Amino acid sequence: QKEVEQNSGPLSVPEGAIASLNCTYSDRGSQSFFWYRQYSGKSPELIMSIYSNGDKEDGRFTAQLNKASQYVSLLIRDSQPSDSATYLCAVTRDQAGTALIFGKGTTLSVSS
Amino acid sequence: DGGITQSPKYLFRKEGQNVTLSCEQNLNHDAMYWYRQDPGQGLRLIYYSQIVNDFQKGDIAEGYSVSREKKESFPLTVTSAQKNPTAFYLCASSLDRRNTGELFFGDGTRLSIL
Repeated sequence: QKEVEQNSGPLSVPEGAIASLNCTYSDRGSQSFFWYRQYSGKSPELIMSIYSNGDKEDGRFTAQLNKASQYVSLLIRDSQPSDSATYLCAVTRDQAGTALIFGKGTTLSVSS
Repeated sequence: DGGITQSPKYLFRKEGQNVTLSCEQNLNHDAMYWYRQDPGQGLRLIYYSQIVNDFQKGDIAEGYSVSREKKESFPLTVTSAQKNPTAFYLCASSLDRRNTGELFFGDGTRLSIL
């Protein structure tokens, strides 16, 4: 059974700090990686995708991928209270990329 | 506006009853998915369909059934064989099979047992 592992948290950071969210995956053949944000009681929304080793930046968000270590991370710079949510790491389910497998999510709380 | 519409928002099931959750999209997407989310858990894949008239089992398909007779619609039936159906059900779509990571979600249906 392929797995995606995340620390459930909660991860608490003060406003303006950097939040670091981590994810590991079991299938070495996984090719595509995604971060979704889910506010309480709402549906998830895609915030970042990453496909190759290294860093990818989009505004205050940076996704990092290390395929050798089977590790994906999401950094949120200048964290805001509006960033308080659960962050779900997702990986393509198989080589054909038919669907996603999600981790259980990390809950982030940003205090003002 | 384009999007995914799930109905109803809340649903209650009696013992031994089958219930159907509706999912409609007007995004002209080829692929559609059903996920289940339990409290404090991630999303688990129930069924997916990459094209009309074709669908595949996901990781937890037992006790569920689907159909994909129209591109816009992907209803999910929770049968009486699903012994623990209480959960948050999310329908999603993606442009096509090459964009399975870029999911657009509906607002979900919360199913409870009476």
